[in-house]
Amino acid sequence: DGGITQSPKYLFRKEGQNVTLSCEQNLNHDAMYWYRQDPGQGLRLIYYSQIVNDFQKGDIAEGYSVSREKKESFPLTVTSAQKNPTAFYLCASGDLGTGELFFGEGSRLTVL
Amino acid sequence: GQQLNQSPQSMFIQEGEDVSMNCTSSSIFNTWLWYKQDPGEGPVLLIALYKAGELTSNGRLTAQFGITRKDSFLNISASIPSDVGIYFCAGLRNYGGSQGNLIFGKGTKLSVKP
Repeated sequence: DGGITQSPKYLFRKEGQNVTLSCEQNLNHDAMYWYRQDPGQGLRLIYYSQIVNDFQKGDIAEGYSVSREKKESFPLTVTSAQKNPTAFYLCASGDLGTGELFFGEGSRLTVL
Repeated sequence: GQQLNQSPQSMFIQEGEDVSMNCTSSSIFNTWLWYKQDPGEGPVLLIALYKAGELTSNGRLTAQFGITRKDSFLNISASIPSDVGIYFCAGLRNYGGSQGNLIFGKGTKLSVKP
């Protein structure tokens, strides 16, 4: 089946630790995106990548890093520099020229 | 920066009722989209609107692209329990390239009346 797979679905982390969230897609989309969702808030763009080996900062990139070594994969690292990392993280792929995005099921990160 | 004002923030529905929600902005958008998010899941695209004045239906859902290009509304007719979730509007502005600027509203949370 075609789709986007995020893992893990739930993750707990101690303060000061980096953590990497996985995102894999088999939809053959060139572009992939990472969003952060907080309760009562809309989706805020962290990073996006339009092509392999290239990525751009979104609105809230501070404290996050990404890589795009393969078309299918766009992992997000939440670093210890992110001051408030507890959130629901959503990966998407699609065409931002049309706004039509396909989202994964999300990863919920809790910092203890 | 650009913002979308989505209302209402939350609403309770009784099965069979019609539901309306809308999104407004001070900026013009080229495209309006409506997504639905079930609890613990990622959003799913419901309807995309590409022309001012366009009215599009998807089953019991109907959405319109406002004539001023600054607003959009979504109607759900004869609601059923599985309609609960969070509905997000999103506006897209294109700058001539393939990369647009997609802005999400804060969502309308639909719950079942106790």
